[in-house]
Amino acid sequence: KAGVTQTPRYLIKTRGQQVTLSCSPISGHRSVSWYQQTPGQGLQFLFEYFSETQRNKGNFPGRFSGRQFSNSRSEMNVSTLELGDSALYLCASSARAGTGAYEQYFGPGTRLTVT
Amino acid sequence: AQSVTQLDSQVPVFEEAPVELRCNYSSSVSVYLFWYVQYPNQGLQLLLKYLSGSTLVESINGFEAEFNKSQTSFHLRKPSVHISDTAEYFCAVWMDSSYKLIFGSGTRLLVRP
Repeated sequence: KAGVTQTPRYLIKTRGQQVTLSCSPISGHRSVSWYQQTPGQGLQFLFEYFSETQRNKGNFPGRFSGRQFSNSRSEMNVSTLELGDSALYLCASSARAGTGAYEQYFGPGTRLTVT
Repeated sequence: AQSVTQLDSQVPVFEEAPVELRCNYSSSVSVYLFWYVQYPNQGLQLLLKYLSGSTLVESINGFEAEFNKSQTSFHLRKPSVHISDTAEYFCAVWMDSSYKLIFGSGTRLLVRP
């Protein structure tokens, strides 16, 4: 089975622009989560989707949004980019839902640099 | 609120020496605990997990971790490390109430020849 794929792998944007990152989960996985990784804040949860519904969101401003499609693929969007948004954005998928979604498999991440 | 503490930000060790990476968690409910490894410029790979049952869990590459409920710890050990084990290791706890993993700050394992 192919693993979680994320595109693009690397991205450079300018302050004020917006960006969309894509994640394709492992085949058959319906739960997709997003995490932000920075040297200062470590790994922080962004949001989780299951069956096209956002079930939980982390403590991030409204500039961060996401969605999930019927094929379980997910996108996250960051509008009005700030320098502090520079990070590795990780997507994870899980075969189970709800309380069973604990076993998460991560993609390679998208490295976003904001200049 | 649940939290995970990894006290050691970096652990240098010589090749073939034993190593222990410490992880403590705070939780008043049942926990699912995980260790992930991250190699440079890569995502997180699940190393091992504790869900229930035996408190000692092992990975395929020689790592093991022991769940200790009384000490709320889930330390990672390996009796003999290799250069290729150089990576960052993250301990995590699953939060049932909000469908998310809570990660520790990570421990960088640096294996020297």
